[in-house]
Amino acid sequence: KQEVTQIPAALSVPEGENLVLNCSFTDSAIYNLQWFRQDPGKGLTSLLLIQSSQREQTSGRLNASLDKSSGRSTLYIAASQPGDSATYLCAVLGSGGGADGLTFGKGTHLIIQP
Amino acid sequence: ETGVTQTPRHLVMGMTNKKSLKCEQHLGHNAMYWYKQSAKKPLELMFVYSLEERVENNSVPSRFSPECPNSSHLFLHLHTLQPEDSALYLCASSQGYHLQGNQPQHFGDGTRLSIL
Repeated sequence: KQEVTQIPAALSVPEGENLVLNCSFTDSAIYNLQWFRQDPGKGLTSLLLIQSSQREQTSGRLNASLDKSSGRSTLYIAASQPGDSATYLCAVLGSGGGADGLTFGKGTHLIIQP
Repeated sequence: ETGVTQTPRHLVMGMTNKKSLKCEQHLGHNAMYWYKQSAKKPLELMFVYSLEERVENNSVPSRFSPECPNSSHLFLHLHTLQPEDSALYLCASSQGYHLQGNQPQHFGDGTRLSIL
């Protein structure tokens, strides 16, 4: 059974710092990996999706990498801003591709101090 | 406007009550999902509907009963719930049940359910 672990569980840093969030998964037979953002009392917003054949994806100040063989992904946030404060969730989709194969981590709760 | 609307946003109910959660998507998607998000646990998939037919039921207790009358609406009927059922219930939709390719799920803002 796939398990997804996110480290750290919580992180608080001053504004302007570059930071890295980590995600690891136990079964490397994945179709894709996705990073989501969740604001308090809100649903999930998709940030980046990396197909298993890709190594990284970039969107603005966000860069996500994927090392499928080692079962790891990182989300890099450059020049952090208070508006980046949220919970960041990592999810992997099993190689079957069906939505039932989507496994989430518990998330990293990020606070950017002004 | 997220494209996926859930009502109510908050619900408090006793264990003997019967209530329903509603989800509506305005994105023209053909697959809809119910997730449970409990404190300190990963998001758990409860039900999947594709083209209004139930595809998956991940061993969810029968006190949760889903209904998908059409591709735009999804309900979760609740009865005789337990305190451990208190959680945020999220609805999502996607274009297709198979998520290969860049077809992410779109989530609603959830219903915060508290069982007394």
